[in-house]
Amino acid sequence: QSALTQPASVSGSPGQSITISCTGTSSDVGGYNYVSWYQQHPGKAPKLIIYEVSNRPSGVSSRFSGSKSGNTASLTISGLRAEDESDYYCSSYTSSSTVVVFGGGTKLTVL
Amino acid sequence: QVQLQESGPGLVKPSQTLSLTCTVSGGSISSGIYYWSWIRQPAGKGLEWIGRIYATGSTNYNPSLKSRATISVDTSKSQFSLRLSSVTAADTAVYYCARDSQLVVAANWGQGSLVTVSS
Repeated sequence: QSALTQPASVSGSPGQSITISCTGTSSDVGGYNYVSWYQQHPGKAPKLIIYEVSNRPSGVSSRFSGSKSGNTASLTISGLRAEDESDYYCSSYTSSSTVVVFGGGTKLTVL
Repeated sequence: QVQLQESGPGLVKPSQTLSLTCTVSGGSISSGIYYWSWIRQPAGKGLEWIGRIYATGSTNYNPSLKSRATISVDTSKSQFSLRLSSVTAADTAVYYCARDSQLVVAANWGQGSLVTVSS
């Protein structure tokens, strides 16, 4: 069981917006502004798309945005495209001895 | 742009030690602003953080691995390594090396290396 809770799957139609949640505790998501999000296509390594809750690395589309409220972080993808169909993972630092925790991942299906 | 490449045996026997090396290019492994991490992913499952090392040799590990993991760094070769002892089939996974930038977990990733534990 992953330390951070994500929905197993979400779906949306092209052009729509979807949001993926990542729920932790005050020891991780709620306690730090160091939540990251990754996109992973089948057979590929994950790719960082959001860091420090809401920042995008250079080259990542502005359609990807992040936010946080309390112990839950969220990834929003606007203007869905077929190429957004992928697995998405969140991570956070934690004050526990584990140091870093990941979410269980969310499979996004573009209908 | 930094690049990371994992290397090591793809097949390890149960109870033996898994050994992987990550070679870093396009950036200094000695830089004092990065951690160098190992992360794994069993087939069809999520990501699991294994541990990380700083250029000075300071390490942190996931307690769930019960002290089986050891991460080391060789700055002269721009490499860092993972050793995982007493492996079982549950350790079969794709193993990724990654660079943590400032306080950003795994900002850069290697392509991954599949390790199968089987006799």
